[in-house]
Amino acid sequence: EPEVTQTPSHQVTQMGQEVILRCVPISNHLYFYWYRQILGQKVEFLVSFYNNEISEKSEIFDDQFSVERPDGSNFTLKIRSTKLEDSAMYFCASSVVYGNKNIQYFGAGTRLSVL
Amino acid sequence: SQKIEQNSEALNIQEGKTATLTCNYTNYSPAYLQWYRQDPGRGPVFLLLIRENEKEKRKERLKVTFDTTLKQSLFHITASQPADSATYLCALLGFGGATNKLIFGTGTLLAVQP
Repeated sequence: EPEVTQTPSHQVTQMGQEVILRCVPISNHLYFYWYRQILGQKVEFLVSFYNNEISEKSEIFDDQFSVERPDGSNFTLKIRSTKLEDSAMYFCASSVVYGNKNIQYFGAGTRLSVL
Repeated sequence: SQKIEQNSEALNIQEGKTATLTCNYTNYSPAYLQWYRQDPGRGPVFLLLIRENEKEKRKERLKVTFDTTLKQSLFHITASQPADSATYLCALLGFGGATNKLIFGTGTLLAVQP
């Protein structure tokens, strides 16, 4: 069964460093997303991406964050200068949206630890 | 803003019993509601979607109901098994026209005892 894959599974970085989290969405999907989950809290939306541009973003997704689809298969989230509070699980998701039915399929996540 | 509430306490049940989880929402009327399963350290896995005009949806041992008057969805697992132990998340599409943003509840941790 097709799945969303994310790499790395765990990323450790120093505060102030740049990190790039990578995702390969399901191949025939058109919409891509990033969510995050701080330990013990709910899953929160960060950004959605369609047709090579951001379609929606949350207040969390400030100038330190960016997304890119550098080729036909990868979708990346970059955090330019990491802060301690960026430590969380980051989930990539993708979907084929038709009508109002939007089922998003999630990857296993990347655990980001900022020291 | 939209608010989604799920049982904040863990639900412990015996194997073979039916587990019932609750999702309540406020401040708007979603076109549909989704349930996901999340295991520790893993991403949410889609289980079921129910539309506002559907009262009930079933898939194998799972059943979801949707009461738009009460603004509530119930999620049932019949003949529960220890392998059903996980956190179950309720999710709605964000409010306001053309959005694909999912808003999740905090989830309910289900523990099925053998």
